[in-house]
Amino acid sequence: EVQLVESGGGLVQPGGSLRLSCVGSGFTFSGYWMTWVRQAPGKGLEWVATIKQDGSEKYYVDSVKGRFSISGDNAKNSLYLQMNSLRADDTAVYYCARPGYYHAFDIWGQGTMVTVSS
Amino acid sequence: QSALTQPPSASGSPGQSVTISCTGTSSDVGGYNYVSWYQQHPGKAPKLMIYEVSKRPSGVPDRFSGSKSGNTASLTVSGLQAEDEADYYCSSFAGSRGLIFGGGTKLTVL
Repeated sequence: EVQLVESGGGLVQPGGSLRLSCVGSGFTFSGYWMTWVRQAPGKGLEWVATIKQDGSEKYYVDSVKGRFSISGDNAKNSLYLQMNSLRADDTAVYYCARPGYYHAFDIWGQGTMVTVSS
Repeated sequence: QSALTQPPSASGSPGQSVTISCTGTSSDVGGYNYVSWYQQHPGKAPKLMIYEVSKRPSGVPDRFSGSKSGNTASLTVSGLQAEDEADYYCSSFAGSRGLIFGGGTKLTVL
């Protein structure tokens, strides 16, 4: 079965850090650009970051540039999101997603909740 | 990055058709044929329904169709069924701005 499983979410104070992980199975992880998408409580979806298969290209939404870092380990079928200087408006469910088509995600994880609050 | 514009809500009776619009600019929806549509039920991850404006992934019923005219994309759900009640999001590739999503539309089956 093709699937993605995220972990690493939790409660963190403003200004703190958190590292999210996403493990893929059932497909060749190294064959895909991978992406993080988030969804604040009761709000819509927001693209966060994307990484090329070999890690040579990384792209971020403006609001996280300089604070978040996306990385991957193809040997472990894993994707990561290092989040620093967290703010209240980073509170969201974070999903990792696989683009089965150009710029369209056919496989999503179940999501991991990040809450930034004092 | 400004979100694409979707109506907050849409509704229809079982068996009817409903169309949801997604309006962007020439720098996103109008500039690329990379518009996608996602269905999301409460507490669940999004599900891809349409990609590249009008293509359906395997397993998605042909009651779901997509189109685009200028800077506006549309998702049409024909023969509405109770299980179609969900939130729907459009997205578009936006070049150097990455990927942009719409604000979402809550579809109610009356």
